[in-house]
Amino acid sequence: KNQVEQSPQSLIILEGKNCTLQCNYTVSPFSNLRWYKQDTGRGPVSLTIMTFSENTKSNGRYTATLDADTKQSSLHITASQLSDSASYICVVSHTGTASKLTFGTGTRLQVTL
Amino acid sequence: DTGVSQDPRHKITKRGQNVTFRCDPISEHNRLYWYRQTLGQGPEFLTYFQNEAQLEKSRLLSDRFSAERPKGSFSTLEIQRTEQGDSAMYLCASSPDRAYNSPLHFGNGTRLTVT
Repeated sequence: KNQVEQSPQSLIILEGKNCTLQCNYTVSPFSNLRWYKQDTGRGPVSLTIMTFSENTKSNGRYTATLDADTKQSSLHITASQLSDSASYICVVSHTGTASKLTFGTGTRLQVTL
Repeated sequence: DTGVSQDPRHKITKRGQNVTFRCDPISEHNRLYWYRQTLGQGPEFLTYFQNEAQLEKSRLLSDRFSAERPKGSFSTLEIQRTEQGDSAMYLCASSPDRAYNSPLHFGNGTRLTVT
């Protein structure tokens, strides 16, 4: 069964600190892995997309890594800001079509003063 | 704003009533998707269109649910005889034809509450 598991479920950090979110997947065959940010009451917004051959991809203070051998990904947030408070969802595609996306349940991040 | 637009943002209805939601995708995007998201969960795929053709439907889409995209532009999602279990956020997303590495662009959803 295709699954995407994220950890931790929730996280609280102080503003300015770094953090790393984890994603493990059992989706096969793998196509690409995506990280989305979802603010409360809003739709998800794409942060990164990585294919099998990509090990790392950055988008500003967000850096995603992918190890396709161990089927693990991480999202590192540098110098966190209050606006980073959101859910971060890992999504894995197991075909070339978006209808075959498997979503994780997300990590709820809260950045505090 | 050229993003994905959904209407209404919130809908409260009584059990047994019918509801209809609208989605206006990004104008140059041929693919349109509907997802359902409950609290603390990731979005669950419901259905998707390429232009006006509905190419795939999830088993989650019972016979009470119907989606249309009559002219290949906006789409509607109708739920008939609503049940309390239908309460959720309904998200619409769009993407260009070559969706292999293209992100989905989501709207901000319609929050449905069935009382």
